[in-house]
Amino acid sequence: EVQLVQSGAELKKAGESLRISCQGSGYMFINYWIAWVRQMPGKGLECMGIIYPGDSDTRYSLSFNGQVTISADRSNSTAFLQWSSLKASDTALYFCARSSVAGTHDAFDIWGQGTMVTVSS
Amino acid sequence: SSELTQSFSVSVALGQTAKITCGGNNVRNKNVHWYQQKPGQAPLLVIYRDSNRPSGIPERFSGSHSGNTPTLTISSAQAGDEADYYCQVWDSSTVLFGGGTRLTVL
Repeated sequence: EVQLVQSGAELKKAGESLRISCQGSGYMFINYWIAWVRQMPGKGLECMGIIYPGDSDTRYSLSFNGQVTISADRSNSTAFLQWSSLKASDTALYFCARSSVAGTHDAFDIWGQGTMVTVSS
Repeated sequence: SSELTQSFSVSVALGQTAKITCGGNNVRNKNVHWYQQKPGQAPLLVIYRDSNRPSGIPERFSGSHSGNTPTLTISSAQAGDEADYYCQVWDSSTVLFGGGTRLTVL
């Protein structure tokens, strides 16, 4: 079964660092773009950035450039989303999603279950 | 704010047809994808590349992209179709989502 499994919910304090993960299985992880998507409470979907695990080519959406770091570990078929200093406004549900066609930008056919990050001030 | 424009909400009577549109300059000549999201769940792809239905998605879901107005159509709407629906395109290497439309089935 093709799936993305994300790490569990996090409760952190403002100023702390955090890395959440998204592990793919059932397909050739390195060949498909992965996106990280934020959903703030009661709000819509926002793409934070994308990564191609094959060569770690990473692109950040304008609003998130410099705010987070996206990376991937090919050997463990895992993508990561990282913050060096969390803010209360980072409180949100974070999804990873796979672009459906190898090597190209297409619809996101596989989604992780989501990781809830709560940051207290 | 999103560069893809969707109506905030759409209501449809049980068994009738709902249409959800996605506007904006970014949709011209681009493939549009549609997702359904129910509370507490991850988004689910329901239409890809304007009008294609993934395996397992009921035929009641269809998509079109004529002119500059991509449209998701849900025929014979059921209570289980109540959800938020998002359109999405790629703009170069940027992923854009619409603001989402809340579908209510009356």
